[in-house]
Amino acid sequence: SQTIHQWPATLVQPVGSPLSLECTVEGTSNPNLYWYRQAAGRGLQLLFYSVGIGQISSEVPQNLSASRPQDRQFILSSKKLLLSDSGFYLCAWRGEGAGELFFGEGSRLTVL
Amino acid sequence: AQSVTQPDIHITVSEGASLELRCNYSYGATPYLFWYVQSPGQGLQLLLKYFSGDTLVQGIKGFEAEFKRSQSSFNLRKPSVHWSDAAEYFCAVASPSGSARQLTFGSGTQLTVLP
Repeated sequence: SQTIHQWPATLVQPVGSPLSLECTVEGTSNPNLYWYRQAAGRGLQLLFYSVGIGQISSEVPQNLSASRPQDRQFILSSKKLLLSDSGFYLCAWRGEGAGELFFGEGSRLTVL
Repeated sequence: AQSVTQPDIHITVSEGASLELRCNYSYGATPYLFWYVQSPGQGLQLLLKYFSGDTLVQGIKGFEAEFKRSQSSFNLRKPSVHWSDAAEYFCAVASPSGSARQLTFGSGTQLTVLP
């Protein structure tokens, strides 16, 4: 069966520090991968998606970036965090030809 | 562009009562439609989905949803709510075409269940 893992689960970082959140999917190949952000009391905002290795599409201009160095690995990064980057980050995957997304357990980022 | 509206930010029901969560979407044709549930600090779990066919779809945990094209709605229902159903519920829409097929989510409805 397919599984998705995100880490770290919780992160507290000072303003201006770098960020790296990692997501891996197991049990499938060539998935579509997605990063969403959920700010407190708000819905989910799509940040990035990838349909293949090295292929990244950005939905929202910001100081975040994403990379897909391997087929089942998706990384969210920042060189310098802002206070507004605080939130709950969710990674998701979708199988080829499928409609629904499957989500990881999320990473809670607090920028102080 | 597709969009989703969940008009109820917060709903409170008593345990054993029936539940209906509203969802309206904007899309040029019939989209893919989904309901997800999120417990505090957790990821999202898929409750049910609609792609085509029978407009009444059954999901997990006793939930069902009905697609009404004329009203651009996909409301979620449960005949008898359990305390464990307290969570946040998200409606989502996706285009049936395109390779990326990213989901657009509503802002969510927080459900509180009273004993």
